[in-house]
Amino acid sequence: EIVLTQSPATLSLSPGERATLSCRASQSVSTYLAWYQQKPGQAPRLLIYDASNRATGIPARFSGGGSGTDFTLTISSLEPEDFAVYYCQQRINWPPWTFGQGTKVEIK
Amino acid sequence: QVQLQESGPGLVKPSETLSLTCTVSGGSISSYYWNWIRQPPGKGLEWIGYVSYSGSTNYSPSLKSRVTISVDTSENQFSLKLSSVTAADTAVYYCARHSSRVPWFDPWGQGILVTVSS
Repeated sequence: EIVLTQSPATLSLSPGERATLSCRASQSVSTYLAWYQQKPGQAPRLLIYDASNRATGIPARFSGGGSGTDFTLTISSLEPEDFAVYYCQQRINWPPWTFGQGTKVEIK
Repeated sequence: QVQLQESGPGLVKPSETLSLTCTVSGGSISSYYWNWIRQPPGKGLEWIGYVSYSGSTNYSPSLKSRVTISVDTSENQFSLKLSSVTAADTAVYYCARHSSRVPWFDPWGQGILVTVSS
Protein backbone atom coordinates (compact mmCIF):
# COMPACT_ATOMS: atom_id res chain seq x y z
CA GLU A 1 0.00 0.00 0.00
CA ILE A 2 1.32 3.43 -0.96
CA VAL A 3 1.55 5.87 1.93
CA LEU A 4 1.08 9.57 1.24
CA THR A 5 2.61 11.99 3.73
CA GLN A 6 1.41 15.58 3.69
CA SER A 7 3.24 18.53 5.18
CA PRO A 8 2.85 20.68 7.06
CA ALA A 9 -0.04 19.42 9.14
CA THR A 10 -1.23 23.01 9.60
CA LEU A 11 -0.40 26.11 7.62
CA SER A 12 -1.25 29.47 9.20
CA LEU A 13 -1.47 32.24 6.63
CA SER A 14 -3.29 35.49 5.95
CA PRO A 15 -5.64 36.21 3.06
CA GLY A 16 -3.66 37.26 0.01
CA GLU A 17 -0.64 35.16 0.94
CA ARG A 18 0.70 32.26 -1.10
CA ALA A 19 0.16 28.72 0.22
CA THR A 20 2.38 25.80 -0.70
CA LEU A 21 1.31 22.34 0.42
CA SER A 22 3.40 19.20 0.02
CA CYS A 23 2.49 15.55 -0.57
CA ARG A 24 5.16 12.85 -0.62
CA ALA A 25 4.51 9.27 -1.75
CA SER A 26 6.26 6.21 -0.32
CA GLN A 27 6.91 5.06 -3.89
CA SER A 28 6.46 6.58 -7.30
CA VAL A 29 2.91 7.34 -8.37
CA SER A 30 4.01 8.95 -11.66
CA THR A 31 1.47 11.78 -12.06
CA TYR A 32 -1.48 9.75 -10.81
CA LEU A 33 -2.20 12.13 -7.96
CA ALA A 34 -5.15 14.34 -7.09
CA TRP A 35 -5.88 17.07 -4.56
CA TYR A 36 -9.18 17.60 -2.77
CA GLN A 37 -10.46 20.48 -0.66
CA GLN A 38 -12.71 19.87 2.33
CA LYS A 39 -14.49 22.59 4.28
CA PRO A 40 -16.03 21.93 7.71
CA GLY A 41 -19.22 19.88 7.48
CA GLN A 42 -18.82 19.35 3.74
CA ALA A 43 -17.71 16.57 1.47
CA PRO A 44 -14.31 16.79 -0.21
CA ARG A 45 -14.21 18.48 -3.63
CA LEU A 46 -11.86 17.55 -6.45
CA LEU A 47 -9.44 20.40 -7.17
CA ILE A 48 -6.54 18.96 -9.16
CA TYR A 49 -6.15 15.63 -10.98
CA ASP A 50 -3.25 13.95 -12.74
CA ALA A 51 -0.97 16.12 -10.58
CA SER A 52 -1.47 19.39 -12.47
CA ASN A 53 -4.89 19.56 -14.15
CA ARG A 54 -7.56 21.75 -12.58
CA ALA A 55 -10.98 20.19 -12.26
CA THR A 56 -13.99 21.88 -13.80
CA GLY A 57 -14.80 25.21 -12.19
CA ILE A 58 -11.64 25.41 -10.06
CA PRO A 59 -10.10 28.92 -10.02
CA ALA A 60 -6.74 29.51 -11.65
CA ARG A 61 -5.16 30.47 -8.31
CA PHE A 62 -4.99 26.73 -7.59
CA SER A 63 -2.14 24.90 -9.26
CA GLY A 64 -0.54 21.51 -8.83
CA GLY A 65 2.87 20.18 -9.72
CA GLY A 66 5.27 17.33 -9.29
CA SER A 67 5.74 13.75 -10.38
CA GLY A 68 7.10 10.52 -8.99
CA THR A 69 7.11 10.91 -5.22
CA ASP A 70 6.98 14.67 -4.59
CA PHE A 71 4.00 16.88 -5.29
CA THR A 72 2.86 20.38 -4.41
CA LEU A 73 -0.43 22.23 -4.34
CA THR A 74 -0.06 25.98 -4.60
CA ILE A 75 -2.70 28.60 -3.90
CA SER A 76 -1.25 31.77 -5.36
CA SER A 77 -3.24 34.25 -3.28
CA LEU A 78 -5.49 32.96 -0.52
CA GLU A 79 -9.13 33.96 -0.62
CA PRO A 80 -11.28 33.71 2.55
CA GLU A 81 -13.07 30.66 1.10
CA ASP A 82 -9.78 28.78 0.63
CA PHE A 83 -9.23 28.15 4.34
CA ALA A 84 -9.96 24.45 4.56
CA VAL A 85 -8.31 21.04 4.77
CA TYR A 86 -6.57 19.69 1.68
CA TYR A 87 -5.98 16.01 0.91
CA CYS A 88 -3.86 14.33 -1.73
CA GLN A 89 -4.82 10.93 -3.19
CA GLN A 90 -3.06 8.42 -5.43
CA ARG A 91 -4.50 5.98 -7.93
CA ILE A 92 -1.50 4.23 -9.48
CA ASN A 93 -1.43 1.33 -7.05
CA TRP A 94 -4.81 0.00 -5.99
CA PRO A 95 -6.61 -1.41 -4.22
CA PRO A 96 -6.65 0.49 -2.09
CA TRP A 97 -6.65 4.02 -3.35
CA THR A 98 -5.04 5.98 -0.54
CA PHE A 99 -5.21 9.51 0.79
CA GLY A 100 -2.77 11.65 2.69
CA GLN A 101 -3.62 12.67 6.24
CA GLY A 102 -4.45 16.23 5.21
CA THR A 103 -3.08 19.75 5.59
CA LYS A 104 -5.22 22.35 7.31
CA VAL A 105 -4.87 25.88 5.95
CA GLU A 106 -6.00 28.22 8.70
CA ILE A 107 -6.29 31.96 9.03
CA LYS A 108 -3.34 33.52 10.83
CA GLN B 1 -25.66 17.77 -12.98
CA VAL B 2 -25.42 14.51 -11.13
CA GLN B 3 -26.02 14.51 -7.39
CA LEU B 4 -25.46 11.78 -4.83
CA GLN B 5 -27.34 11.36 -1.55
CA GLU B 6 -26.54 8.89 1.21
CA SER B 7 -29.27 7.44 3.41
CA GLY B 8 -29.57 4.91 6.19
CA PRO B 9 -29.50 4.52 9.98
CA GLY B 10 -27.33 6.92 11.91
CA LEU B 11 -26.87 4.50 14.80
CA VAL B 12 -25.80 0.85 14.60
CA LYS B 13 -25.12 -1.53 17.47
CA PRO B 14 -21.76 -3.26 17.83
CA SER B 15 -21.51 -6.62 16.01
CA GLU B 16 -24.43 -5.70 13.73
CA THR B 17 -24.37 -4.81 10.03
CA LEU B 18 -24.18 -1.24 8.81
CA SER B 19 -26.34 -0.67 5.72
CA LEU B 20 -26.32 2.49 3.62
CA THR B 21 -27.75 3.46 0.25
CA CYS B 22 -26.60 6.13 -2.18
CA THR B 23 -29.19 7.51 -4.58
CA VAL B 24 -27.95 9.02 -7.83
CA SER B 25 -30.02 11.80 -9.36
CA GLY B 26 -29.57 14.00 -12.41
CA GLY B 27 -27.79 11.30 -14.35
CA SER B 28 -27.61 7.60 -15.07
CA ILE B 29 -25.77 5.10 -12.93
CA SER B 30 -24.62 3.39 -16.12
CA SER B 31 -21.06 3.66 -17.42
CA TYR B 32 -19.59 4.73 -14.09
CA TYR B 33 -18.03 3.32 -10.96
CA TRP B 34 -19.60 4.01 -7.58
CA ASN B 35 -17.53 4.27 -4.44
CA TRP B 36 -17.88 4.36 -0.69
CA ILE B 37 -15.34 6.37 1.30
CA ARG B 38 -15.39 7.02 5.03
CA GLN B 39 -13.93 9.54 7.46
CA PRO B 40 -13.79 8.93 11.22
CA PRO B 41 -14.52 12.08 13.23
CA GLY B 42 -11.56 14.45 13.06
CA LYS B 43 -9.53 12.07 10.91
CA GLY B 44 -8.62 11.45 7.29
CA LEU B 45 -10.28 9.67 4.39
CA GLU B 46 -10.39 5.91 3.81
CA TRP B 47 -11.55 4.32 0.56
CA ILE B 48 -13.83 1.33 1.22
CA GLY B 49 -14.59 0.00 -2.26
CA TYR B 50 -16.55 0.40 -5.45
CA VAL B 51 -19.17 -1.25 -7.60
CA SER B 52 -19.41 -0.76 -11.33
CA TYR B 53 -22.65 -0.21 -13.20
CA SER B 54 -22.40 -3.84 -14.31
CA GLY B 55 -22.00 -5.10 -10.76
CA SER B 56 -18.27 -5.81 -10.59
CA THR B 57 -16.68 -4.86 -7.29
CA ASN B 58 -13.33 -3.99 -5.76
CA TYR B 59 -12.74 -3.60 -2.05
CA SER B 60 -10.03 -2.30 0.23
CA PRO B 61 -8.01 -5.28 1.48
CA SER B 62 -8.35 -4.09 5.07
CA LEU B 63 -12.16 -4.24 4.92
CA LYS B 64 -12.72 -6.87 2.25
CA SER B 65 -13.87 -9.60 4.64
CA ARG B 66 -16.69 -7.44 6.00
CA VAL B 67 -17.81 -5.35 3.00
CA THR B 68 -20.41 -5.88 0.31
CA ILE B 69 -21.24 -3.18 -2.24
CA SER B 70 -24.05 -3.72 -4.72
CA VAL B 71 -25.84 -1.74 -7.42
CA ASP B 72 -29.51 -1.43 -8.40
CA THR B 73 -29.59 0.17 -11.82
CA SER B 74 -33.40 0.19 -11.95
CA GLU B 75 -33.49 2.42 -8.89
CA ASN B 76 -30.31 4.38 -9.74
CA GLN B 77 -28.92 3.37 -6.36
CA PHE B 78 -25.99 1.50 -4.90
CA SER B 79 -25.53 0.17 -1.41
CA LEU B 80 -22.93 -0.59 1.24
CA LYS B 81 -23.10 -3.34 3.83
CA LEU B 82 -20.41 -3.54 6.51
CA SER B 83 -20.75 -6.46 8.89
CA SER B 84 -19.58 -7.03 12.47
CA VAL B 85 -19.13 -3.34 13.17
CA THR B 86 -17.24 -1.93 16.14
CA ALA B 87 -16.74 1.57 17.48
CA ALA B 88 -13.82 1.90 15.06
CA ASP B 89 -16.34 1.94 12.21
CA THR B 90 -17.91 5.15 13.50
CA ALA B 91 -17.43 7.64 10.68
CA VAL B 92 -19.00 9.89 8.11
CA TYR B 93 -19.68 7.68 5.10
CA TYR B 94 -19.53 9.28 1.66
CA CYS B 95 -20.53 7.94 -1.71
CA ALA B 96 -18.65 9.19 -4.77
CA ARG B 97 -18.36 8.53 -8.48
CA HIS B 98 -15.44 7.87 -10.75
CA SER B 99 -15.21 6.87 -14.40
CA SER B 100 -12.70 5.33 -16.72
CA ARG B 101 -12.27 8.72 -18.37
CA VAL B 102 -12.08 10.65 -15.09
CA PRO B 103 -10.70 8.10 -12.60
CA TRP B 104 -10.96 10.45 -9.63
CA PHE B 105 -13.68 10.88 -7.04
CA ASP B 106 -16.08 13.46 -8.40
CA PRO B 107 -18.73 14.26 -7.36
CA TRP B 108 -19.33 13.22 -3.76
CA GLY B 109 -22.46 12.91 -1.69
CA GLN B 110 -22.85 15.14 1.35
CA GLY B 111 -22.03 12.28 3.72
CA ILE B 112 -23.88 10.55 6.53
CA LEU B 113 -22.61 10.09 10.07
CA VAL B 114 -22.92 6.55 11.34
CA THR B 115 -22.23 5.94 15.02
CA VAL B 116 -21.59 2.45 16.33
CA SER B 117 -22.78 2.27 19.91
CA SER B 118 -24.99 0.14 22.12
